[in-house]
This record gives sequence, structure tokens and C-alpha cells, in this order.
Amino acid sequence: DSGVTQTPKHLITATGQRVTLRCSPRSGDLSVYWYQQSLDQGLQFLIQYYNGEERAKGNILERFSAQQFPDLHSELNLSSLELGDSALYFCASSPDSGEQYFGPGTRLTVT
Amino acid sequence: AQSVTQLGSHVSVSEGALVLLRCNYSSSVPPYLFWYVQYPNQGLQLLLKYTSAATLVKGINGFEAEFKKSETSFHLTKPSAHMSDAAEYFCAVSPPYNNNDMRFGAGTRLTVKP
Repeated sequence: DSGVTQTPKHLITATGQRVTLRCSPRSGDLSVYWYQQSLDQGLQFLIQYYNGEERAKGNILERFSAQQFPDLHSELNLSSLELGDSALYFCASSPDSGEQYFGPGTRLTVT
Repeated sequence: AQSVTQLGSHVSVSEGALVLLRCNYSSSVPPYLFWYVQYPNQGLQLLLKYTSAATLVKGINGFEAEFKKSETSFHLTKPSAHMSDAAEYFCAVSPPYNNNDMRFGAGTRLTVKP
């Protein structure tokens, strides 16, 4: 158990819909990262927040957005969903330096 | 910018045989290097990390990796494979003290045959 929690574990929704994925980092970690993992694209970094502020941006679509709240939990919002957005979405957290600790992921299926 | 290349998307070994998963890195500064393991339907779990101390790093589950600057490599090894080692393995690199720029390799799927 990494100490990072993600909800929900599974999500099935239709094209065009909007969903919110939630992540709680390890106690004391200020950084939260979001990744998308799909069979064809592999593990793709989406975005990082540090203590409530956006720190780094990766291959995140404009239809996707994220935020980190004062209690350090983070949400990833995915809108106007397309079939190709079906993937595993991981959250990770880290202390100020060093390795990232990954949550168990949310499996999103868009039908 | 830094990057890693994992040689071989699939590796198959027999139970009890040596496991060798290859990772080469590219970095303009002395890097931090990591190996993660992902079991089916789970998140990534840290196996070991190199952060410029000892070049031979020991991790969990009997795995180890050696940082070789001259070869820009950080290969993962285990002397004797177990069936439970079957998983996907990811190599990752980041600049020192800056893990918000961690780059992952494409992954190597390890199969262990009985």
C-alpha cells in the first residue's frame, strides 16, 4: 500500500460526458502528479501540482483539467469524453525530492 | 531534457533463471534513476532508486541495478526468477532534486515460464 488513494476504482460513462477522478496523496507529500496509461500510448504524464499550484504540464488535452485543494487532495476533470480517453488514470505523490508513489489507479471506460 | 530507453518490450525467462531488464538513459546532468514494477490491475510500485550514492543499488524482492555512467545504463537484474516476478517493469529518470520532470520508459513485460 503506497498511501496514495484514488476513487473511484472503475468508471464507465458515455461519450460526451464529464467525469471527475479523485486522489489523496500520502500524508506530508505536497506534490501530486496525474498520468494516463493506455495500451497504445504507454504511461503519459499529464500534469503536476505542488502545494495547490500547477508546477508542470505534460501531454494534457484542453478537455482535461486538474486542481489541488488546500487539504492537498487533487481532482482530475475529464470532459467531452471520447472513446480514446478510455485508459487507466494514475495519481502519484512525492515528497520534495525523490521518488513518486503511485495510487492504484482509476480505470475509465468510455462507451 | 532527459529520457530513458528500455531495450526489449517483452522478456521471457524460465523460473530460476537470471532476469536482466535493460535501461539506457540520456541526461545532461547527473540523473536520479528508478525502477518501478506494475502487477496486473495495480499501480506502479518502486523497486529501487539511484540517487548518486552507491552505484550498485539493491531493491525489494531480490532485485538490484547498477548505475554505469560510461555506458549510460541502469540495467535491472535478479539472480533467480520467480513466477511472482511476472509483471511490467518501468525505468524512469529525473534530474536530481527535481522529480517533477520524471520521464518513464515504455516498459518491459517480463514473463516467467515454469
